[in-house]
Amino acid sequence: GAVVSQHPSRVICKSGTSVKIECRSLDFQATTMFWYRQFPKQSLMLMATSNEGSKATYEQGVEKDKFLINHASLTLSTLTVTSAHPEDSSFYICSAKDEEREWETQYFGPGTRLLVL
Amino acid sequence: GQNIDQPTEMTATEGAIVQINCTYQTSGFNGLFWYQQHAGEAPTFLSYNVLDGLEEKGRFSSFLSRSKGYSYLLLKELQMKDSASYLCAIMDSNYQLIWGAGTKLIIKP
Repeated sequence: GAVVSQHPSRVICKSGTSVKIECRSLDFQATTMFWYRQFPKQSLMLMATSNEGSKATYEQGVEKDKFLINHASLTLSTLTVTSAHPEDSSFYICSAKDEEREWETQYFGPGTRLLVL
Repeated sequence: GQNIDQPTEMTATEGAIVQINCTYQTSGFNGLFWYQQHAGEAPTFLSYNVLDGLEEKGRFSSFLSRSKGYSYLLLKELQMKDSASYLCAIMDSNYQLIWGAGTKLIIKP
């Protein structure tokens, strides 16, 4: 089956630093990738839709200058949390859409746990 | 290896009951999640089980048997709006999520 990887799986950083999270589709091409954030005991919250070769589309309330998204190839999207603060500590999950499937399918990555001190 | 299995697609009738099964083999276990996802939308959290047994929440119930590596999501009094994909996910020993491929549920009048 389709596999999506994320790196790193967990990261601890100091307040004010930037953190880059990678999302890769390992055995299929993904024109579209999605970035989610999940706080404990809450649902996944869509942050942005990443489109290969074009600018990402951000959901309302998500700062595009703080959460930089780059979808440079059909298998890789990156999310950079700039000038991270403790309130950015969360579980970040990406998913990739397999365009070849008959019905809309998203494959989810394992998530990246970010802790900002 | 790590593996989660759930049926690709199921069909049920409005007003009826449907059970969506999920079996898993993972390295460690820190809970099982069920999510609902309508086409074009983000997944919505439905339930979390970490202990064996049945958790009931309105029309939806989720069951877990850790010894059998098995869970099911039970939907009662089906409504047309329940047509969606249902995702099973396991949090493993490293607190990483392992996702099932999802079950597309089609509700017919």
